Amino acid sequence: NAGVTQTPKFQVLKTGQSMTLQCAQDMNHEYMSWYRQDPGMGLRLIHYSVGAGITDQGEVPNGYNVSRSTTEDFPLRLLSAAPSQTSVYFCASSSLAGGQETQYFGPGTRLLVL
Amino acid sequence: SQQGEEDPQALSIQEGENATMNCSYKTSINNLQWYRQNSGRGLVHLILIRSNEREKHSGRLRVTLDTSKKSSSLLITASRAADTASYFCATDKTSYDKVIFGPGTSLSVIP
Repeated sequence: NAGVTQTPKFQVLKTGQSMTLQCAQDMNHEYMSWYRQDPGMGLRLIHYSVGAGITDQGEVPNGYNVSRSTTEDFPLRLLSAAPSQTSVYFCASSSLAGGQETQYFGPGTRLLVL
Repeated sequence: SQQGEEDPQALSIQEGENATMNCSYKTSINNLQWYRQNSGRGLVHLILIRSNEREKHSGRLRVTLDTSKKSSSLLITASRAADTASYFCATDKTSYDKVIFGPGTSLSVIP
């Protein structure tokens, strides 16, 4: 199993540009989520999904869109990048078979918005 | 505001000593989990404790949960330099709810 994969690893954007951060998992997990982590801080939840076709907002959803068309993929779209979105983005997945369980994290995407 | 808050924000100890970190939360929870993050890396799951449990052990880790005080503690015994990392607690309110992380405790273990 590859686990949770994220692409790209690094990205530099100009203000106003849009892009999609990719996240995929091969563990057949129902739950997937996106977090952002700013320097010296914890993780803040952007969006999450409990299954294909179902998404919901987290703590800091503004400026981001998600979709969940398959169980495996959960892309995060930045609509119009702003310097405040400079951060490290982590995708995570977990099984809900027995209720919320261990979350498996991807390696992260470092995003710099100029 | 976040569901979980860790205390202290930073902790520095000598190798061999025990390290204790605390997590407080504001509303009732289903599960509470602890994660470790080495600098610049992704998070690694350490231990999960359910709301009906009071204590769990895993190797040198001991986690307690006091739902009446809405708090949890993570004890790392006989710390090692390799334990140097940030530690986060995370909570969910129900089985199918979002998982919210606290701001973390930065642990430095001095050889």
